[in-house]
Amino acid sequence: ILNVEQSPQSLHVQEGDSTNFTCSFPSSNFYALHWYRWETAKSPEALFVMTLNGDEKKKGRISATLNTKEGYSYLYIKGSQPEDSATYLCAAQSSGTYKYIFGTGTRLKV
Amino acid sequence: EAGVTQFPSHSVIEKGQTVTLRCDPISGHDNLYWYRRVMGKEIKFLLHFVKESKQDESGMPNNRFLAERTGGTYSTLKVQPAELEDSGVYFCASSQASGQGIVQYFGPGTRLTVL
Repeated sequence: ILNVEQSPQSLHVQEGDSTNFTCSFPSSNFYALHWYRWETAKSPEALFVMTLNGDEKKKGRISATLNTKEGYSYLYIKGSQPEDSATYLCAAQSSGTYKYIFGTGTRLKV
Repeated sequence: EAGVTQFPSHSVIEKGQTVTLRCDPISGHDNLYWYRRVMGKEIKFLLHFVKESKQDESGMPNNRFLAERTGGTYSTLKVQPAELEDSGVYFCASSQASGQGIVQYFGPGTRLTVL
């Protein structure tokens, strides 16, 4: 996996809105996709790890889906709150490697 | 359980000086990773230790960067001499095992500013 892309780069939503962002990765040699939530000056917090096509994970108001055939993952936040403001990072792993390849992140402001 | 800790949280140095960053992984985690995020770009892998051994240092930018993990506990990353382009946030992460699908736990990072 050489390149992971995230969109949009930044997003400003109103409190209570639901929102979603995209992480795209090459589907060949894919093994795992990780989502992290990062507030500046704090440790990036692991949200989800997904490996199987069609995987869906949920943690409170945040959920994620994975499509390995077309090479993308969506992160959804339902009913955004000010405390959801952060940068959301995705990282992909290829088969046979432990290295994370990160996207540039989506900065969310609520 | 304490998470990954990094010291200092912020360092401002002049070009040509030396800086040493420290990382204390989660207790019992044999695997330790260094990553770097340059402003506006993605977080990039630098290297990986298993205990005290360097497993992969393919991401190290050049020989001005030296990482050590004596005794297989904490790790240091030294930049000597620092250049302007070394500015960024240096993250350390650790995991109990290495491999695909394993979650790496990150520290808060050290923000390095080279003037």
